[in-house]
Amino acid sequence: EIVMTQSPATLSVSPGERATLSCRASQSVSSNLAWYQQKPGQAPRLLIYGASTRATGIPARFSGSGSGTDFTLTISSLQSEDSAVYYCQQYNNWPPITFGQGTRLEIK
Amino acid sequence: EVQLVESGGGLIQPGGSLRLSCAASGFTVSSNYMSWVRQAPGKGLEWVSVIYTTGTTYYADSVKGRFTISRDNSKNTLYLQMNSLRAEDTAVYYCAKAYDFWPKFDYWGQGTLVTVSS
Repeated sequence: EIVMTQSPATLSVSPGERATLSCRASQSVSSNLAWYQQKPGQAPRLLIYGASTRATGIPARFSGSGSGTDFTLTISSLQSEDSAVYYCQQYNNWPPITFGQGTRLEIK
Repeated sequence: EVQLVESGGGLIQPGGSLRLSCAASGFTVSSNYMSWVRQAPGKGLEWVSVIYTTGTTYYADSVKGRFTISRDNSKNTLYLQMNSLRAEDTAVYYCAKAYDFWPKFDYWGQGTLVTVSS
C-alpha cells in the first residue's frame, strides 16, 4: 500500500498571499496524483489531476506540480473562500486507492 | 448535469446490516468506474470500494468480506451492501464517479451518514 503524507497539518496564510501544500508518496506514483478541496459539510471537489492538470472550472490560481514521490499544490493570491481542507490522492498503484491525511488551510 | 444522490444511511447496531444507494443522473453508471469513499467524523478520506465497467470489484482490507459493491444498470444506481457493521464503520459515505477510467473522482454525492452504535 502506498502511504501519502501531507504537510503541514495546518497552514495559516493571509489573503492575497500564496499557500504551498506538500504531499509525499512512500513510493513513486509517477504523475498519477490528484488534489481535492473539502469545505465543512461538503463533499470533496477535484482540483488537480495528473499532478498538474486543473479540473474543469478550477480557477487558475490553483496549480499543481511534482512527479514521482514529491508533489506540491500552490494556491496563489489566496481568497477567503479557499479556506478548506486539502487532500492528495494517488491512483498509480491500486487497490487500494490512498489519500493523504489532509492539510487544513486557514485564511488569516 | 451530473448528479449523485446517496441514501440509506442511519443508525444501526453493531453486527447489523445496511444497504446504501447512490442514484446517478447525467451519465451512465455502468460506463464508468464508480467508488465508495468514507469519512469518519472529524477524520480524513478513506477509500472503501470500486467497481469497474467490467463488473470487477475491489475493496479496502478494512471492509473486505463484509461489504459488497454492486450496481443496477436499469436504475442507473450504485449500491453498497454493508454487513457485520462495527463501530469503526461510522462515517459519512460518499459515492464518487471516476474520471476517464482512472480512479480520480470528478463527481461526488453529498454523502450519507452511517452511525454504528448500540
